[in-house]
Amino acid sequence: LAKTTQPISMDSYEGQEVNITCSHNNIATNDYITWYQQFPSQGPRFIIQGYKTKVTNEVASLFIPADRKSSTLSLPRVSLSDTAVYYCLVGSNTGGFKTIFGAGTRLFVKA
Amino acid sequence: NAGVTQTPKFRILKIGQSMTLQCTQDMNHNYMYWYRQDPGMGLKLIYYSVGAGITDKGEVPNGYNVSRSTTEDFPLRLELAAPSQTSVYFCASQSPPEAATNEKLFFGSGTQLSVL
Repeated sequence: LAKTTQPISMDSYEGQEVNITCSHNNIATNDYITWYQQFPSQGPRFIIQGYKTKVTNEVASLFIPADRKSSTLSLPRVSLSDTAVYYCLVGSNTGGFKTIFGAGTRLFVKA
Repeated sequence: NAGVTQTPKFRILKIGQSMTLQCTQDMNHNYMYWYRQDPGMGLKLIYYSVGAGITDKGEVPNGYNVSRSTTEDFPLRLELAAPSQTSVYFCASQSPPEAATNEKLFFGSGTQLSVL
């Protein structure tokens, strides 16, 4: 499994765009990149997944450079309710194999 | 569609007691997981299962046991509770690899366990 490295914490203000970068130098050819969000006292929930280039949904965008050794989760115009822990996971397309979470990035959004 | 359901939501155990944390999912997912999360920390994988009758150890399996007799249910057993097992426990299931939502994990709401 590819190891991931993320910043431990980040601060932002309401209305700003937040970019959280994840390093995964040993990513394998079949690996996808998936991001989860966790609020206090809740289980993580899926945000976005991608393989290469850019993926966008109603919540976030995911930017993946050509070498795929890193990825950036972009949250547009954050609000106080985006304060959470964000996890980057890298895994193969086969699924179901020992899905491991790292420490995640704690995002604090201030008023 | 209930998704992943965990019971109980809260439990206090005395040292040495035993209990089973229940987890059931109604999405017909083959893959299921148990994680624990200590305060302020990330999730640690305890056990996982890729299908009925198949289980395997994760990162921190000591002190726990699991079984998977059906696709829907994946209970976690604590045999001799210790204070070090005080944590929040999350069960998750995963969509099959051939689905469009590959690799997406669905989590339950968690069980907060205190061992005193």
